[in-house]
Amino acid sequence: DSGVTQTPKHLITATGQRVTLRCSPRSGDLSVYWYQQSLDQGLQFLIQYYNGEERAKGNILERFSAQQFPDLHSELNLSSLELGDSALYFCASSGRDPRLETQYFGPGTRLLVL
Amino acid sequence: DQQVKQNSPSLSVQEGRISILNCDYTNSMFDYFLWYKKYPAEGPTFLISISSIKDKNEDGRFTVFLNKSAKHLSLHIVPSQPGDSAVYFCAASARGSGGSNYKLTFGKGTLLTVNP
Repeated sequence: DSGVTQTPKHLITATGQRVTLRCSPRSGDLSVYWYQQSLDQGLQFLIQYYNGEERAKGNILERFSAQQFPDLHSELNLSSLELGDSALYFCASSGRDPRLETQYFGPGTRLLVL
Repeated sequence: DQQVKQNSPSLSVQEGRISILNCDYTNSMFDYFLWYKKYPAEGPTFLISISSIKDKNEDGRFTVFLNKSAKHLSLHIVPSQPGDSAVYFCAASARGSGGSNYKLTFGKGTLLTVNP
C-alpha cells in the first residue's frame, strides 16, 4: 500500500460525458502528479500540482483539467469524453521524503468510455 | 519522440537465475532514473533509483547500473523469484530543470516472467 488513494476504481460512461477522478496523496506529500496509461502510449505525464498550484503540464488535452485543494487532495476532470480517452489514470504523490523525486502511485482509476 | 526506451517487451528467466532489464534514454537532461514494478490492476510500485552522479545502486536483490556515456541503464535482479513476475518500467526525470517539477518520463515496460 503506497498510501495514495484514488476513487473510483472503475468508471464506465458514455461519449460526450464528464467525469471527475479523485486522488488523496500520502500524508504530508505536497506534490500530486496525474498520469494516463493507454494500451499504445504507455504511462504519459498529464499534469503536476504542488501545494495547490499548477507546476507543470504534459500531454494533457484542453478537455481535461485538474486542481489541488487546500487539504492537498486533487481532482482530474475529463469532459466531452471520447472513446480514445478510455485508459488507466494514475495519481502519484511526492514531497515528504528528502528524496523528492520518488513518486508513489495510487492504484489507478480505470475509465471506459462507450 | 520516445525519450525513454525499453526495447524488450518481454523477458523470461528461470527461478534463481539473474534477470537483466535494459533501458535507453535520449534526453541528456535526465539526471535521475527510477525503476517501477507493476502488477495488473495495481499502480506502479517504486523499486530502486539512481542519480546521474552514481553508476551503481544496490538494494537487496536489485541493482541498477547507469552508463551515462551510453545513455543506458539496467536493472539486475538476483536471484530471480516467481513473485518478481510483473511489468517493469524504467523512468527518468530532469531534476536540474529547477523548481519542484520532477515529472517522470516512462518507457513502455518489459514483462518479466520468472519460471519456477
